[in-house]
Amino acid sequence: AQSVAQPEDQVNVAEGNPLTVKCTYSVSGNPYLFWYVQYPNRGLQFLLKYITGDNLVKGSYGFEAEFNKSQTSFHLKKPSALVSDSALYFCAVRDKSNTGKLIFGQGTTLQVKP
Amino acid sequence: SAVISQKPSRDICQRGTSLTIQCQVDSQVTMMFWYRQQPGQSLTLIATANQGSEATYESGFVIDKFPISRPNLTFSTLTVSNMSPEDSSIYLCSVGQGDYEQYFGPGTRLTVT
Repeated sequence: AQSVAQPEDQVNVAEGNPLTVKCTYSVSGNPYLFWYVQYPNRGLQFLLKYITGDNLVKGSYGFEAEFNKSQTSFHLKKPSALVSDSALYFCAVRDKSNTGKLIFGQGTTLQVKP
Repeated sequence: SAVISQKPSRDICQRGTSLTIQCQVDSQVTMMFWYRQQPGQSLTLIATANQGSEATYESGFVIDKFPISRPNLTFSTLTVSNMSPEDSSIYLCSVGQGDYEQYFGPGTRLTVT
């Protein structure tokens, strides 16, 4: 069965420091991976995706993610965190069937402190 | 990306009643989905809304409880029937676009008392 795991419920980082939100996946074959962000009382916003190609993927709001096939990971990163980055982050993998559905990790709360 | 709206944005309902949630997209899309996000939880797919045919439900979700309509390529509804407090969740519709990503509506926050 396909799945994603986010091992940290919460990540705390000081403003201006680099941040990493971890995600590992379990998928047969090549994965299609995504990161989404959810601000309080709002829907999910798409940040970035990995389908194929370069392992380092750049997305919205200065975020990037590194695909590592050997470690089956897709960690979200940002060189310099902002207080406004504080939100709930979800990693997801696209189901390999033709349904197109996304399978989400449990989410990681990012808290950026001034 | 498509602009997706949902109505209502939130509601408080009594147990045993039903609520219909609407999802409107500003462009025609092939794939539409309905997800549930229970309090403090991740997102779980309820069903794929198929235009012109019955929705495809995930394990644990049934049509009698969550009937879905999709009359055209820009609109879908999800009904939560015979509600109980356990149905209190955020319900989100999403559409498939581009290279496999999905875009989500703002969600409907449902509280069942």
